Amino acid sequence: DAKTTQPNSMESNEEEPVHLPCNHSTISGTDYIHWYRQLPSQGPEYVIHGLTSNVNNRMASLAIAEDRKSSTLILHRATLRDAAVYYCIPGDSNYQLIWGAGTKLIIKP
Amino acid sequence: GAGVSQSPSNKVTEKGKDVELRCDPISGHTALYWYRQSLGQGLEFLIYFQGNSAPDKSGLPSDRFSAERTGGSVSTLTIQRTQQEDSAVYLCASSRRTGVYEQYFGPGTRLTVT
Repeated sequence: DAKTTQPNSMESNEEEPVHLPCNHSTISGTDYIHWYRQLPSQGPEYVIHGLTSNVNNRMASLAIAEDRKSSTLILHRATLRDAAVYYCIPGDSNYQLIWGAGTKLIIKP
Repeated sequence: GAGVSQSPSNKVTEKGKDVELRCDPISGHTALYWYRQSLGQGLEFLIYFQGNSAPDKSGLPSDRFSAERTGGSVSTLTIQRTQQEDSAVYLCASSRRTGVYEQYFGPGTRLTVT
């Protein structure tokens, strides 16, 4: 199983972009990189996933390093509602994802 | 459409009692997962169901834990002879099927064993 390293917490100002880093140096060639977030007192919600190419959706962008040993989740314009714990999870199936402690994102108004 | 629902939202029980936690997945989702989350921690995988296949129970922490999924839909997680260390939030998720498909999570059941 790929091991991930994420900052314990990050702070950002409202309406500014946020870059959440994740190191996954032991990722295998078939592992996707999944990102989920968990708002306070809620179940996690899917954010985005990718394999090699950068990915965009309505919530965020995912930038994957060329060697795939790291990735960055980008929130283009953070709002207070984006305050959550963000989990970066490598895995080749959503079946056996190993969840770490994630990064707690604090948004300052 | 309706999301994943779980009941009860909160459960307080005495040590040694049995509890049942229920999960209603999204209609049509063939994969269903149970996790538990202790305070400030990430999710711990418990059990996984995919269609009519035998469930993967490799994450169940002890034989006091069991789960079933009836008719490929509703699932029940049962904890027998509860212990204080079972106190956690129990989360259920479903996905269209196995593979790289997003999981949809319910709000969880907060279990407190006194």
